[in-house]
Amino acid sequence: QKEVEQDPGPLSVPEGAIVSLNCTYSNSAFQYFMWYRQYSRKGPELLMYTYSSGNKEDGRFTAQVDKSSKYISLFIRDSQPSDSATYLCATGRAAGNKLTFGGGTRVLVKP
Amino acid sequence: GAGVSQTPSNKVTEKGKYVELRCDPISGHTALYWYRQSLGQGPEFLIYFQGTGAADDSGLPNDRFFAVRPEGSVSTLKIQRTERGDSAVYLCASSLERQETQYFGPGTRLLVL
Repeated sequence: QKEVEQDPGPLSVPEGAIVSLNCTYSNSAFQYFMWYRQYSRKGPELLMYTYSSGNKEDGRFTAQVDKSSKYISLFIRDSQPSDSATYLCATGRAAGNKLTFGGGTRVLVKP
Repeated sequence: GAGVSQTPSNKVTEKGKYVELRCDPISGHTALYWYRQSLGQGPEFLIYFQGTGAADDSGLPNDRFFAVRPEGSVSTLKIQRTERGDSAVYLCASSLERQETQYFGPGTRLLVL
């Protein structure tokens, strides 16, 4: 079993809908959590990062962490066709340590 | 400012050959990471440098893989006797010392025929 599990999708939504993405992790040592967006044939781009349980909002993006259930989520409001990409969750134990990634969820926002 | 750059962007080689992949981190970033991403998968950690030294090389799959960062800036990932299973995108990331946020380059797409 992988340390970070993520549904591969694809997830197809109409433009303007809310996109809901999630990951589960198994290691309680993970202390911080990130979401990256990756367009086809590009490197991952950092979207959000957070340390604690609860919500963090940045524009149309909300990251949610529940450490008690080892569950992390990303919500994208008012989705746009330009949001079509693969979304990767990632976790780390401490600053300066490696990131452990989920397998990524492919999202398609249809106009 | 300039982000992480990687060269070459694409590399095609034959089984058994030696390849070098280069990463130029963001200026001032002391930490540098190499990851490997297979098709349809998330990136997997290979090695992490803090300055010139490898702080964690636990992700290197075998002794055919080696990486250096002699002056604490540019890093080179070296793969000897390449195998078809080495075909993947090799990603480099950098960060400030003791910072969690890692910034990725565009990757080098390696194809071993």
